[in-house]
Amino acid sequence: AQKVTQAQTEISVVEKEDVTLDCVYETRDTTYYLFWYKQPPSGELVFLIRRNSFDEQNEISGRYSWNFQKSTSSFNFTITASQVVDSAVYFCALSEGKAAGNKLTFGGGTRVLVKP
Amino acid sequence: KAGVTQTPRYLIKTRGQQVTLSCSPISGHRSVSWYQQTPGQGLQFLFEYFSETQRNKGNFPGRFSGRQFSNSRSEMNVSTLELGDSALYLCASSLNPTSGEETQYFGPGTRLLVL
Repeated sequence: AQKVTQAQTEISVVEKEDVTLDCVYETRDTTYYLFWYKQPPSGELVFLIRRNSFDEQNEISGRYSWNFQKSTSSFNFTITASQVVDSAVYFCALSEGKAAGNKLTFGGGTRVLVKP
Repeated sequence: KAGVTQTPRYLIKTRGQQVTLSCSPISGHRSVSWYQQTPGQGLQFLFEYFSETQRNKGNFPGRFSGRQFSNSRSEMNVSTLELGDSALYLCASSLNPTSGEETQYFGPGTRLLVL
C-alpha cells in the first residue's frame, strides 16, 4: 500500500532563511506522481509542484526547488529566501497509476512558521 | 477562470442528523474528488467521481456517500452524523482522470462541526 511520511511536524525560521521540507514515500507502482501542496490558514490546499516517477530531473521555479531521488524514495522541497507569506502547512502527496485513479495519499504535513 | 467552489463554508449539526455538502468544479473539469481532513487522521481520500460514476472509494463507512451531476457538480452526504465526523471536507477537481497524473485543484473546504 502507498504511504507518505513527512517526519518534520514543524519548522520555524527567520525571514530570508532557506527551508527544506522532507518527504519519503512508499509505493509498489513503477509509475506514480508526486505533489507538493500548501495550506495557508484559510484552509484551501494550493498546488505547488508535480513530479512524474520517470523524470528525476530536479528543477527550480522561482523560490521553490525540489530534489526527487527514486533511489531513496524521497521528494524534498526547498523554499529559498523564505518570506512571512510562506507560513503555512505543506503537504507532500502521492498518486499512483491507473488503478488508483486520482486518489491522492497525503503525508501528515509540515507546519512552516516564518518569523519577520 | 473561477476556482473550485464549495458550499456551505461552515456548518454546525448535531449527532444523528445528516448533512449534504456541495462542490462545483473548475469549468471544464470533469473529475471531482472529496477528502476529509481531521487533526488526528490528517487528509484522507473519500471518493472520486467522473461522468456521474464513482470511480474510486476510500476506506470510509457507508454513511458517507456522494454523487455527481451531468454538469460535473458533486455533492457528498453524511448520514447519522457522529462526533468524529467533525472535519474540514475538501473537494478537488481535475481535467480528466487518466492515470493519476492529473493535478487536482482544491476548493476552500466546508468546515463541519458535529455537536
